[in-house]
Amino acid sequence: AQTVTQSQPEMSVQEAETVTLSCTYDTSESDYYLFWYKQPPSRQMILVIRQEAYKQQNATENRFSVNFQKAAKSFSLKISDSQLGDAAMYFCAYRSAEDTDKLIFGTGTRLQVFP
Amino acid sequence: DTGVSQNPRHKITKRGQNVTFRCDPISEHNRLYWYRQTLGQGPEFLTYFQNEAQLEKSRLLSDRFSAERPKGSFSTLEIQRTEQGDSAMYLCASSPWDSYNEQFFGPGTRLTVL
Repeated sequence: AQTVTQSQPEMSVQEAETVTLSCTYDTSESDYYLFWYKQPPSRQMILVIRQEAYKQQNATENRFSVNFQKAAKSFSLKISDSQLGDAAMYFCAYRSAEDTDKLIFGTGTRLQVFP
Repeated sequence: DTGVSQNPRHKITKRGQNVTFRCDPISEHNRLYWYRQTLGQGPEFLTYFQNEAQLEKSRLLSDRFSAERPKGSFSTLEIQRTEQGDSAMYLCASSPWDSYNEQFFGPGTRLTVL
């Protein structure tokens, strides 16, 4: 069975600085997708960024980028130029491309952004 | 397009009562998912539908839980004989049929069992 581990329960960053959130996963599959979702307080979860496992190039979405290390089964999220609105819970998630359609989530990292 | 909606947003019930939640997905999304999120944890998969067919059920979905999507549009999740351990946020998500596509989440229904 696949698992997703986020070892940082909480992180904090100063506004305009850069922060990296860690995620590792375990799978025996070769084809899959990885996602970072953001869950602001009392608001719904939204997708931040996604990565296809077969792509070597790391995904980038504006201030958000990932460092995908397939051999190490690592998928970290870098947030550059942090903004107050980035404060939220961040969940790393895995999705098989081979059978099931469900998302498997980590336990999340709470990000605080200080002015 | 108003996104995924869920009703009610909050539900307080007494142990042993039955509760039903509704999810309205984004129109034309043929896949619909239910997850459960307890405090301090990430969402855990419960079940998903493609149109009206229930394709997968988690072992978390005990006999007291049932989900339906009768016409392939909205879905309901019913919990019978609620227990205190059922207290959680129940999230619904929808997506078009494509394994690459993201799942769009609703705001959730927070259940409190007294």
